[in-house]
Amino acid sequence: DTEVTQTPKHLVMGMTNKKSLKCEQHMGHRAMYWYKQKAKKPPELMFVYSYEKLSINESVPSRFSPECPNSSLLNLHLHALQPEDSALYLCASSHPLRVAYTDTQYFGPGTRLTVL
Amino acid sequence: SQQGEEDPQALSIQEGENATMNCSYKTSINNLQWYRQNSGRGLVHLILIRSNEREKHSGRLRVTLDTSKKSSSLLITASRAADTASYFCATEGATNKLIFGTGTLLAVQP
Repeated sequence: DTEVTQTPKHLVMGMTNKKSLKCEQHMGHRAMYWYKQKAKKPPELMFVYSYEKLSINESVPSRFSPECPNSSLLNLHLHALQPEDSALYLCASSHPLRVAYTDTQYFGPGTRLTVL
Repeated sequence: SQQGEEDPQALSIQEGENATMNCSYKTSINNLQWYRQNSGRGLVHLILIRSNEREKHSGRLRVTLDTSKKSSSLLITASRAADTASYFCATEGATNKLIFGTGTLLAVQP
């Protein structure tokens, strides 16, 4: 199984809502990532988990809260978002090598988030 | 910004022609990777070239790396309509993070 799954595919939420994005992989990868991608732009790294511990936070606002409950799952909890947070949110996973977190990354299809 | 630049921003070719995309980056790297993205969906890894390699092939793909010029190119030979997508280079450097380039939008006309 070389697939990373993400749910939901689409999400519309108001600025006062609380929602969560979910990501799952069963490739035995121990590094997992959240990226944000605006239209016609490259993905931007948000968070990196290595062995279920948060290792990189790219100065992401606290209204985004990541969680890694186990080695297969990665969540992104959303609260009090702004319209400018509307984007495609991508999850990825990889084998962490030595102290490096990057190798070939396997991406999920993304969650298209719209904040009203 | 550490972000790499890709050239051209958009490329339109006929089926069967070759497509070449270029990537330039700013800092020293451990490796450079190319990804494809269809219509705002997930990215698919195409090929990885390490800093001590100069050329790599995978099927119809050929990647070159010139670390002295901090640049890479991706050649897709005998293109197909299914190759229509956005293509991103991504570099891994001292920060151990992937930094994506600005992307090239490739349209292959049948």
